[in-house]
Amino acid sequence: NAGVTQTPKFQVLKTGQSMTLQCAQDMNHEYMSWYRQDPGMGLRLIHYSVGAGITDQGEVPNGYNVSRSTTEDFPLRLLSAAPSQTSVYFCASGAGGTQYFGPGTRLLVL
Amino acid sequence: AQSVTQLGSHVSVSEGALVLLRCNYSSSVPPYLFWYVQYPNQGLQLLLKYTTGATLVKGINGFEAEFKKSETSFHLTKPSAHMSDAAEYFCAVSDQTGGGADGLTFGKGTHLIIQP
Repeated sequence: NAGVTQTPKFQVLKTGQSMTLQCAQDMNHEYMSWYRQDPGMGLRLIHYSVGAGITDQGEVPNGYNVSRSTTEDFPLRLLSAAPSQTSVYFCASGAGGTQYFGPGTRLLVL
Repeated sequence: AQSVTQLGSHVSVSEGALVLLRCNYSSSVPPYLFWYVQYPNQGLQLLLKYTTGATLVKGINGFEAEFKKSETSFHLTKPSAHMSDAAEYFCAVSDQTGGGADGLTFGKGTHLIIQP
């Protein structure tokens, strides 16, 4: 099993550009989520999904969009990137209350 | 709403000494509790978790944690620190009644430094 995979590993965007961060898991987990990690802030939940077709907002959802058309994939879309979205983004999948994290995407918005 | 407080953003111990990383949580419902470790430029790896049952939980790499409901604490310990333990450690809580399906609330992290 590859577990949770994320692409790209690193991305530079200009303010106003849009992009999609990809996340896939091969563990057949119903639950998937996106977090952002900022220095001194820990990880904060952006959006989560409890199954295909079902998504909900977390603590910091503004500026991000998600959809869940399959169990395996949970992409995160930045509609119009802002410097405040410079961060490291982690995708996670889980079952039974335990979550497993991907390697992260480091995003720099200029 | 849930919250997690990790006491000390940086903790320094000597190699071979006891490691103690503190975590206190607040939750209005029975919690699931977790410790994750993050090595530089890597993702988060689950160290251990408490869901139900035994309050002393053993994890990987010789770490353990004890759930103390009366103190709302879940401190992480290791009897003897090793240089390879140097990393960032995160305590997290989720809502047990929802099976943890509504996401984790993380503490801000503790950077563990091991002195030779």
